[in-house]
Amino acid sequence: NAGVTQTPKFQVLKTGQSMTLQCAQDMNHNSMYWYRQDPGMGLRLIYYSASEGTTDKGEVPNGYNVSRLNKREFSLRLESAAPSQTSVYFCASSEAQGLNTGELFFGEGSRLTVL
Amino acid sequence: GEDVEQSLFLSVREGDSSVINCTYTDSSSTYLYWYKQEPGAGLQLLTYIFSNMDMKQDQRLTVLLNKKDKHLSLRIADTQTGDSAIYFCAEIRSFQKLVFGTGTRLLVSP
Repeated sequence: NAGVTQTPKFQVLKTGQSMTLQCAQDMNHNSMYWYRQDPGMGLRLIYYSASEGTTDKGEVPNGYNVSRLNKREFSLRLESAAPSQTSVYFCASSEAQGLNTGELFFGEGSRLTVL
Repeated sequence: GEDVEQSLFLSVREGDSSVINCTYTDSSSTYLYWYKQEPGAGLQLLTYIFSNMDMKQDQRLTVLLNKKDKHLSLRIADTQTGDSAIYFCAEIRSFQKLVFGTGTRLLVSP
């Protein structure tokens, strides 16, 4: 059982380049999330999708776009990468019920470096 | 928004108890969580507590909640080297937005 799968695991970009991080889950979860992790700052929510067809901004959405392609897949796009977007990105999913997110299941992370 | 605060680092000896502290911000949070992150991996849920509880025990783990002070703690009894990891507390800030603390890196030495 794969759980949450992210690709790529590592990526190096030059400033101004674009790229898309892919995420897929096989647990039939309604909700999916994108977080970034930076040293000393914990995880910060970039965007989330409460259900197929909906997306909402999190704490740090600037410079990112997302697409909830179907129930399984939730992609994160950097249109014009900046060095400040160097980070480890995590996708997560949950069977959220009402206010409670329930348990979040995380992918293994994608390490992005922007030069 | 305000941060969920944790101390950055804790070092203990194998067999000792570890106590990881967290100060959260939203007094209306209904659930509070502890997640564990091992090196090179994503986060995994360790335990959670409902806001109407003061304490929850799960094997070696004890969670204490002080709602008045908005303080959450995780105690690990008989800490093992395999417990070395980063521990995150988290609160639900608003609809389906889980906000994580800064993380505490626990180092367990033999």
